[in-house]
Amino acid sequence: GQQLNQSPQSMFIQEGEDVSMNCTSSSIFNTWLWYKQEPGEGPVLLIALYKAGELTSNGRLTAQFGITRKDSFLNISASIPSDVGIYFCAGPNSSNTGKLIFGQGTTLQVKP
Amino acid sequence: DGGITQSPKYLFRKEGQNVTLSCEQNLNHDAMYWYRQDPGQGLRLIYYSQIVNDFQKGDIAEGYSVSREKKESFPLTVTSAQKNPTAFYLCASSKPRTGLNTEAFFGQGTRLTVV
Repeated sequence: GQQLNQSPQSMFIQEGEDVSMNCTSSSIFNTWLWYKQEPGEGPVLLIALYKAGELTSNGRLTAQFGITRKDSFLNISASIPSDVGIYFCAGPNSSNTGKLIFGQGTTLQVKP
Repeated sequence: DGGITQSPKYLFRKEGQNVTLSCEQNLNHDAMYWYRQDPGQGLRLIYYSQIVNDFQKGDIAEGYSVSREKKESFPLTVTSAQKNPTAFYLCASSKPRTGLNTEAFFGQGTRLTVV
């Protein structure tokens, strides 16, 4: 079945550094969603992408929909301690049953 | 405020007991979902519902049951048949967009512990 592979699995960075993570699949997705989950909370939608090549920003976050439709990237500029959390990519499965497929997440830790 | 509400936040259950987790949304969303998350893991789909009075099994439905009698509500029952129920449970909802259900919004989660 369809799978989303996120990398890296975890990152430990210094405050102020830029962060880059990606999500890849062997199959095509028509939508890419990026979520952030803080400890003990539900995931919060950060950015939604609907067109190949689309580049969308949300504050210090920028996400891109890969032109092959098989990948997406999330960048965080000038990281701060509150960026800590797990970042998930997600997309609807191809059979149009309404199911969302999630990647395994990238855990980000920021050292002040 | 519009949103999706899960209750309770924390739940303790004795082995052999059934327990029901509540999920309510006032976003007028058609689709609702239940996910399970274990420590350090991603989200695994338990059940989902595209429309009232209809629902489908997800990837790990064994030991769980759901109902969708109202658009706003999608309760999840963890039965005694679920052998390892201790986990963080997340409910989500979404509305159709160009024929696809996307942009799911999540509740705050319920942490279930079996004692």
